[in-house]
Amino acid sequence: EAGVTQSPTHLIKTRGQQATLRCSPISGHTSVYWYQQALGLGLQFLLWYDEGEERNRGNFPPRFSGRQFPNYSSELNVNALELEDSALYLCASSYHRGSNQPQHFGDGTRLSIL
Amino acid sequence: AQSVTQLDSQVPVFEEAPVELRCNYSSSVSVYLFWYVQYPNQGLQLLLKYLSGSTLVKGINGFEAEFNKSQTSFHLRKPSVHISDTAEYFCAVSESNTGKLIFGQGTTLQVKP
Repeated sequence: EAGVTQSPTHLIKTRGQQATLRCSPISGHTSVYWYQQALGLGLQFLLWYDEGEERNRGNFPPRFSGRQFPNYSSELNVNALELEDSALYLCASSYHRGSNQPQHFGDGTRLSIL
Repeated sequence: AQSVTQLDSQVPVFEEAPVELRCNYSSSVSVYLFWYVQYPNQGLQLLLKYLSGSTLVKGINGFEAEFNKSQTSFHLRKPSVHISDTAEYFCAVSESNTGKLIFGQGTTLQVKP
């Protein structure tokens, strides 16, 4: 069974640009989650999508947005990039929205802002 | 609000020695607890989970954890570590109905030969 796949592996942008990160969940999983892992800040919850709808978002500005497609894959968009957006962005998926469902993570996209 | 505290930022240990990585949580409701491992340049891999039932949970790679409700702890243990266990370990609690995993700050396990 294929795991969660994320693309690209690395992404280099400059300040003010826009970035798009993509995630394919494990087959059969309907929920997709996004987390940011920045140096010194730990793992922070960004967004949760389930059945194509945004269910919850973390304490991030509106320039962080995303969507979930009918095949349950997802993309994260970050507009007006700032230096502090440099981080590893992790996507996770689970079977459905229950809190007891373990989240399975991909290897992440490392976003570097120059 | 729920929170997770990992009491040690770094744990150095010799190969084949036992290890315990400590995790405390705060929650006023039923909790679902998880341990994840992150190897360099990789994502998080689920080691084990506590959802309900037996307080001793066995996971992959020989790890186990014990849920202690009275002490609000969920410590991770392994009786004999290998060099390959060198990684960062994260304890997490699932926040009810939000989709959010709340992570501790992580513990770096350094296994020395």
